[in-house]
Amino acid sequence: EAQVTQNPRYLITVTGKKLTVTCSQNMNHEYMSWYRQDPGLGLRQIYYSMNVEVTDKGDVPEGYKVSRKEKRNFPLILESPSPNQTSLYFCASKERGSSYEQYFGPGTRLTVT
Amino acid sequence: GDSVTQMEGPVTLSEEAFLTINCTYTATGYPSLFWYVQYPGEGLQLLLKATKADDKGSNKGFEATYRKETTSFHLEKGSVQVSDSAVYFCALSERTRGGGKLIFGQGTELSVKP
Repeated sequence: EAQVTQNPRYLITVTGKKLTVTCSQNMNHEYMSWYRQDPGLGLRQIYYSMNVEVTDKGDVPEGYKVSRKEKRNFPLILESPSPNQTSLYFCASKERGSSYEQYFGPGTRLTVT
Repeated sequence: GDSVTQMEGPVTLSEEAFLTINCTYTATGYPSLFWYVQYPGEGLQLLLKATKADDKGSNKGFEATYRKETTSFHLEKGSVQVSDSAVYFCALSERTRGGGKLIFGQGTELSVKP
């Protein structure tokens, strides 16, 4: 089954404690990205990657890091989380080209206290 | 920059009512347009899409037509069901940066009552 998986699904942490949210896709997609969803703001892109070892900032990259060492994986790293990073996070993947749909993971709900 | 605006929610309808969720966009080029749906506790899934002007996307009784002259992509369904209760997002896909970035509207929550 074609899918994007994320772990963990729920995470409560404290300010400053480094964390990683994993993302993996089994569709051999080149393009992967991370979004955060906040009430009244829709989804906003954090970072994206067009291929292995190629990553770039989205609209809200501050406080986040990513890496793309393998085609299937695209982890999101918060090195020093802060309360304003409390949000619902989605990983997505797609084929390159604007007409292709994005496939979303189930989401990770992060709370930073 | 490019942007998407969709009607405020929540929208509450009775079963079998007609649904319209308005969506307008601003874009410098010729984006692809999408409607995604998010059911409670789940990720987003594609509902329908249109990749050029005058295209009509359709799926599960939902329809939307890419109107370049009015920069709109309104979502319609003739008869909604309780199972259609979800949050609906209009989005456009830029043709730059690998064509991967989606710009979303703020989402419209739909609640359908029996």
